[in-house]
Amino acid sequence: GAGVSQSPSNKVTEKGKDVELRCDPISGHTALYWYRQSLGQGLEFLIYFQGNSAPDKSGLPSDRFSAERTGGSVSTLTIQRTQQEDSAVYLCASSRDRFTDTQYFGPGTRLTVL
Amino acid sequence: AQSVSQHNHHVILSEAASLELGCNYSYGGTVNLFWYVQYPGQHLQLLLKYFSGDPLVKGIKGFEAEFIKSKFSFNLRKPSVQWSDTAEYFCAVNAFTGGGNKLTFGTGTQLKVEL
Repeated sequence: GAGVSQSPSNKVTEKGKDVELRCDPISGHTALYWYRQSLGQGLEFLIYFQGNSAPDKSGLPSDRFSAERTGGSVSTLTIQRTQQEDSAVYLCASSRDRFTDTQYFGPGTRLTVL
Repeated sequence: AQSVSQHNHHVILSEAASLELGCNYSYGGTVNLFWYVQYPGQHLQLLLKYFSGDPLVKGIKGFEAEFIKSKFSFNLRKPSVQWSDTAEYFCAVNAFTGGGNKLTFGTGTQLKVEL
């Protein structure tokens, strides 16, 4: 596609529910990143995929967070048993490969946990 | 672990004023440095980047930044700002730690340009 796309653009959920956030990277980009943008923490790295594997999960805040990538393309970030502190904008970025430093960002998913 | 500091959280300027946003990073090894911009209602866009070579890099829309290795700084400048430059600006560093190209961001600077 022309750019990184994310869905949904907004998600409101109740505390304790599970949510899935989707990212479609730019076609042909093998590296994919998830970040979180919140008022208190700024922009934080969550996880990085190279192809379908995730060599770096160091930014995932707890075991309630998980992510997968299939077919070297679409990625899903899942948050189980959501908490209010999970409220944030979740950003996805992709780059041509792990050695290409220019990351292109999607519009983000705004998650609100009530 | 690397970190990035942006000293100005909110900046208000009049059109045609000069701009300089500070960015300092902490990491002793090789780094790549970036400035991203987020216009109201839009997603993050790359403004400019430094990989190697000339420490003065030029980006889009008349922005430039200077990498000063001895000061661990990568300040963003623009000689004359426009109202359309109103946005949030993020400095970021990518340190080569073997874990891919994850970016560490500063907390951002909200720039408002008044007519």
